[in-house]
Amino acid sequence: SAVISQKPSRDICQRGTSLTIQCQVDSQVTMMFWYRQQPGQSLTLIATANQGSEATYESGFVIDKFPISRPNLTFSTLTVSNMSPEDSSIYLCSEVGLAGSETQYFGPGTRLLVL
Amino acid sequence: EDQVTQSPEALRLQEGESSSLNCSYTVSGLRGLFWYRQDPGKGPEFLFTLYSAGEEKEKERLKATLTKKESFLHITAPKPEDSATYLCAVQAGSGAGSYQLTFGKGTKLSVIP
Repeated sequence: SAVISQKPSRDICQRGTSLTIQCQVDSQVTMMFWYRQQPGQSLTLIATANQGSEATYESGFVIDKFPISRPNLTFSTLTVSNMSPEDSSIYLCSEVGLAGSETQYFGPGTRLLVL
Repeated sequence: EDQVTQSPEALRLQEGESSSLNCSYTVSGLRGLFWYRQDPGKGPEFLFTLYSAGEEKEKERLKATLTKKESFLHITAPKPEDSATYLCAVQAGSGAGSYQLTFGKGTKLSVIP
């Protein structure tokens, strides 16, 4: 599997501000995804980051709140916009490296606390 | 709607005391069932993928099995370093692009020396 890094690893932000999280993979991958892991809850898929086109969002998540970019096959960003305390969570990116493989590998996560 | 339920929520074992974690699922058209291990402050680490009922996979002290309704993660003679949260996820649907994983809430395992 590819090595995945995320920046920042953690942050504390004020209500109403925005934070951009970066996900870097050390080799080209087929698919990249963004998940949210709220305290005591299961991982929930936010969106699929599509290379060169708009992300595909899951029910309950919208582009205005979680804009996503994927300019190439190794990099993606997730922005959490106009944050509220309810956005406090761990945000994880994942990748599927090989076409035809279903296994997703996860990055280390970004721990966000909104005050 | 795909659903995954893991039990128990938490499990404390003495070192060497074998046990099993359960993952019950409801999906339309299972493509794969995945087990991950997650340590505090880290992302999920991939353990196994199971594709069809009757399949089994092993890795060190862990063995995963699959039936049509549930999966078990058997831990034999656990050690303190096996302490972690174990996550189960299912992938359903057909055709290209059906990559979405539906996760359970996990079982937090603590192995006491």
